[in-house]
Amino acid sequence: SQTIHQWPATLVQPVGSPLSLECTVEGTSNPNLYWYRQAAGRGLQLLFYSIGIDQISSEVPQNLSASRPQDRQFILSSKKLLLSDSGFYLCAWSSSYEQYFGPGTRLTVT
Amino acid sequence: TQLLEQSPQFLSIQEGENLTVYCNSSSVFSSLQWYRQEPGEGPVLLVTVVTGGEVKKLKRLTFQFGDARKDSSLHITAAQPGDTGLYLCAGVEGDYKLSFGAGTTVTVRA
Repeated sequence: SQTIHQWPATLVQPVGSPLSLECTVEGTSNPNLYWYRQAAGRGLQLLFYSIGIDQISSEVPQNLSASRPQDRQFILSSKKLLLSDSGFYLCAWSSSYEQYFGPGTRLTVT
Repeated sequence: TQLLEQSPQFLSIQEGENLTVYCNSSSVFSSLQWYRQEPGEGPVLLVTVVTGGEVKKLKRLTFQFGDARKDSSLHITAAQPGDTGLYLCAGVEGDYKLSFGAGTTVTVRA
Protein backbone atom coordinates (compact mmCIF):
# COMPACT_ATOMS: atom_id res chain seq x y z
CA SER A 1 0.00 0.00 0.00
CA GLN A 2 1.02 3.60 -0.50
CA THR A 3 2.23 5.82 2.32
CA ILE A 4 3.29 9.43 2.40
CA HIS A 5 5.68 10.95 4.92
CA GLN A 6 6.43 14.53 5.83
CA TRP A 7 9.03 15.98 8.11
CA PRO A 8 9.53 17.71 10.30
CA ALA A 9 6.13 17.59 11.98
CA THR A 10 6.61 20.99 13.59
CA LEU A 11 9.09 23.76 13.01
CA VAL A 12 9.74 27.16 14.60
CA GLN A 13 12.02 29.40 12.56
CA PRO A 14 13.04 33.08 12.84
CA VAL A 15 12.24 35.55 10.10
CA GLY A 16 14.93 35.56 7.43
CA SER A 17 16.08 31.99 8.03
CA PRO A 18 16.02 29.29 5.33
CA LEU A 19 13.44 26.52 5.08
CA SER A 20 13.45 22.95 3.83
CA LEU A 21 10.40 20.69 4.17
CA GLU A 22 10.56 17.17 2.83
CA CYS A 23 7.90 14.82 1.52
CA THR A 24 8.37 11.23 0.37
CA VAL A 25 5.94 8.70 -1.01
CA GLU A 26 6.26 4.92 -0.84
CA GLY A 27 4.48 2.18 -2.73
CA THR A 28 3.83 3.94 -6.04
CA SER A 29 5.78 5.10 -9.08
CA ASN A 30 5.69 8.42 -10.90
CA PRO A 31 3.07 10.02 -8.66
CA ASN A 32 1.80 13.55 -9.13
CA LEU A 33 3.03 15.52 -6.12
CA TYR A 34 1.61 18.64 -4.52
CA TRP A 35 2.44 21.22 -1.85
CA TYR A 36 -0.40 23.09 -0.16
CA ARG A 37 -0.54 25.67 2.62
CA GLN A 38 -3.47 25.91 4.98
CA ALA A 39 -4.39 28.76 7.31
CA ALA A 40 -5.93 27.72 10.63
CA GLY A 41 -9.27 25.96 10.06
CA ARG A 42 -9.48 27.02 6.44
CA GLY A 43 -9.15 25.62 2.94
CA LEU A 44 -6.02 24.58 1.10
CA GLN A 45 -4.00 26.87 -1.11
CA LEU A 46 -2.07 25.03 -3.83
CA LEU A 47 1.55 26.19 -3.91
CA PHE A 48 3.28 23.80 -6.31
CA TYR A 49 2.53 20.64 -8.21
CA SER A 50 4.70 18.24 -10.14
CA ILE A 51 3.70 15.63 -12.70
CA GLY A 52 7.25 14.30 -13.03
CA ILE A 53 10.89 14.98 -12.29
CA ASP A 54 11.86 18.38 -13.74
CA GLN A 55 8.18 19.25 -14.20
CA ILE A 56 7.17 21.60 -11.40
CA SER A 57 4.48 24.24 -11.70
CA SER A 58 4.09 27.18 -9.35
CA GLU A 59 0.62 28.40 -8.52
CA VAL A 60 1.36 31.35 -6.28
CA PRO A 61 4.34 33.69 -6.81
CA GLN A 62 6.14 34.09 -3.50
CA ASN A 63 9.44 33.45 -1.80
CA LEU A 64 8.98 29.66 -1.79
CA SER A 65 10.35 27.15 -4.27
CA ALA A 66 9.94 23.43 -4.84
CA SER A 67 12.20 20.70 -6.17
CA ARG A 68 11.81 17.04 -7.01
CA PRO A 69 15.24 15.41 -6.77
CA GLN A 70 13.80 11.89 -7.02
CA ASP A 71 10.60 10.41 -8.40
CA ARG A 72 8.96 10.09 -5.00
CA GLN A 73 10.56 12.99 -3.17
CA PHE A 74 9.25 16.54 -3.11
CA ILE A 75 10.96 19.38 -1.25
CA LEU A 76 9.64 22.82 -0.35
CA SER A 77 12.26 25.49 0.28
CA SER A 78 12.78 29.12 1.04
CA LYS A 79 15.97 31.18 1.26
CA LYS A 80 14.47 33.73 3.66
CA LEU A 81 11.28 33.15 5.60
CA LEU A 82 8.66 35.83 6.14
CA LEU A 83 6.17 36.05 9.01
CA SER A 84 3.41 35.41 6.47
CA ASP A 85 4.94 32.00 5.66
CA SER A 86 3.59 30.61 8.93
CA GLY A 87 0.96 27.93 8.43
CA PHE A 88 0.25 24.25 8.03
CA TYR A 89 2.03 22.76 5.02
CA LEU A 90 0.59 19.67 3.43
CA CYS A 91 2.11 17.39 0.82
CA ALA A 92 -0.13 15.17 -1.29
CA TRP A 93 0.25 12.57 -4.01
CA SER A 94 -2.11 11.30 -6.67
CA SER A 95 -2.17 8.91 -9.58
CA SER A 96 -5.46 10.28 -10.89
CA TYR A 97 -7.90 12.87 -9.55
CA GLU A 98 -7.96 11.63 -5.99
CA GLN A 99 -5.29 13.06 -3.75
CA TYR A 100 -3.83 11.53 -0.60
CA PHE A 101 -2.32 13.77 1.99
CA GLY A 102 0.58 13.51 4.37
CA PRO A 103 0.36 14.38 8.07
CA GLY A 104 1.52 17.96 7.51
CA THR A 105 4.18 20.29 8.93
CA ARG A 106 3.21 23.09 11.30
CA LEU A 107 5.54 26.03 10.55
CA THR A 108 5.72 29.03 12.87
CA VAL A 109 7.86 31.95 11.78
CA THR A 110 8.81 34.21 14.70
CA THR B 1 -8.65 28.80 -10.51
CA GLN B 2 -12.34 28.09 -10.14
CA LEU B 3 -13.98 29.20 -6.90
CA LEU B 4 -15.86 26.86 -4.59
CA GLU B 5 -17.93 28.37 -1.80
CA GLN B 6 -18.85 26.30 1.23
CA SER B 7 -21.61 27.07 3.69
CA PRO B 8 -22.01 27.38 6.53
CA GLN B 9 -18.51 28.20 7.70
CA PHE B 10 -19.21 26.79 11.18
CA LEU B 11 -21.82 24.33 12.39
CA SER B 12 -22.35 23.16 15.97
CA ILE B 13 -25.01 20.57 16.72
CA GLN B 14 -26.02 18.10 19.38
CA GLU B 15 -25.30 14.40 19.00
CA GLY B 16 -28.15 12.68 17.18
CA GLU B 17 -29.13 15.70 15.07
CA ASN B 18 -28.82 15.89 11.29
CA LEU B 19 -26.73 18.39 9.35
CA THR B 20 -26.11 19.48 5.78
CA VAL B 21 -23.06 21.20 4.33
CA TYR B 22 -23.15 22.90 0.95
CA CYS B 23 -20.55 23.46 -1.75
CA ASN B 24 -21.38 25.81 -4.63
CA SER B 25 -19.65 27.18 -7.70
CA SER B 26 -20.49 29.11 -10.84
CA SER B 27 -18.23 26.73 -12.76
CA VAL B 28 -18.82 23.19 -13.96
CA PHE B 29 -16.57 20.48 -12.60
CA SER B 30 -15.90 17.10 -14.15
CA SER B 31 -16.01 15.64 -10.67
CA LEU B 32 -16.07 16.79 -7.08
CA GLN B 33 -14.57 15.36 -3.93
CA TRP B 34 -15.27 15.64 -0.21
CA TYR B 35 -12.56 15.39 2.44
CA ARG B 36 -12.64 15.42 6.23
CA GLN B 37 -9.75 16.80 8.23
CA GLU B 38 -9.10 16.51 11.94
CA PRO B 39 -6.95 19.08 13.79
CA GLY B 40 -3.24 18.68 13.11
CA GLU B 41 -3.72 16.03 10.44
CA GLY B 42 -3.99 15.90 6.67
CA PRO B 43 -7.39 15.72 4.92
CA VAL B 44 -8.79 12.27 4.26
CA LEU B 45 -10.79 11.59 1.11
CA LEU B 46 -14.39 10.58 1.81
CA VAL B 47 -15.94 10.35 -1.65
CA THR B 48 -15.71 11.37 -5.30
CA VAL B 49 -18.88 12.20 -7.24
CA VAL B 50 -18.69 12.24 -11.02
CA THR B 51 -22.12 12.19 -12.64
CA GLY B 52 -24.60 15.07 -12.44
CA GLY B 53 -27.40 14.12 -10.03
CA GLU B 54 -25.33 11.35 -8.50
CA VAL B 55 -26.01 10.37 -4.90
CA LYS B 56 -23.51 8.35 -2.88
CA LYS B 57 -23.95 7.00 0.62
CA LEU B 58 -21.22 6.21 3.09
CA LYS B 59 -22.88 4.85 6.23
CA ARG B 60 -24.59 7.92 7.76
CA LEU B 61 -23.13 10.32 5.19
CA THR B 62 -24.99 11.11 1.96
CA PHE B 63 -23.28 13.03 -0.83
CA GLN B 64 -25.09 14.57 -3.78
CA PHE B 65 -23.70 16.13 -6.97
CA GLY B 66 -25.93 18.74 -8.59
CA ASP B 67 -27.50 18.02 -11.97
CA ALA B 68 -25.43 20.79 -13.57
CA ARG B 69 -22.25 19.61 -11.80
CA LYS B 70 -21.75 23.01 -10.19
CA ASP B 71 -22.73 22.19 -6.63
CA SER B 72 -22.74 19.43 -4.07
CA SER B 73 -24.04 18.70 -0.60
CA LEU B 74 -23.04 16.49 2.28
CA HIS B 75 -25.75 15.33 4.66
CA ILE B 76 -24.98 13.57 7.93
CA THR B 77 -27.76 11.68 9.67
CA ALA B 78 -27.74 11.23 13.44
CA ALA B 79 -24.39 12.94 13.86
CA GLN B 80 -21.90 11.57 16.38
CA PRO B 81 -18.96 13.27 18.14
CA GLY B 82 -16.65 11.30 15.83
CA ASP B 83 -18.06 13.28 12.90
CA THR B 84 -16.43 16.42 14.27
CA GLY B 85 -13.91 17.94 11.87
CA LEU B 86 -13.30 20.28 8.96
CA TYR B 87 -15.20 19.20 5.84
CA LEU B 88 -13.67 20.31 2.57
CA CYS B 89 -15.05 20.05 -0.93
CA ALA B 90 -12.73 20.09 -3.92
CA GLY B 91 -13.44 20.36 -7.63
CA VAL B 92 -11.26 18.72 -10.23
CA GLU B 93 -9.55 21.19 -12.58
CA GLY B 94 -7.90 19.85 -15.68
CA ASP B 95 -5.91 16.66 -15.37
CA TYR B 96 -4.02 17.22 -12.18
CA LYS B 97 -5.35 19.92 -9.92
CA LEU B 98 -8.02 20.35 -7.29
CA SER B 99 -9.65 23.61 -6.29
CA PHE B 100 -10.64 23.53 -2.62
CA GLY B 101 -13.41 25.33 -0.81
CA ALA B 102 -12.66 27.14 2.45
CA GLY B 103 -14.25 24.35 4.48
CA THR B 104 -17.01 23.91 7.04
CA THR B 105 -16.02 23.28 10.65
CA VAL B 106 -18.48 20.82 12.18
CA THR B 107 -18.68 20.29 15.93
CA VAL B 108 -20.91 17.55 17.31
CA ARG B 109 -21.52 17.90 21.04
CA ALA B 110 -22.05 14.81 23.16
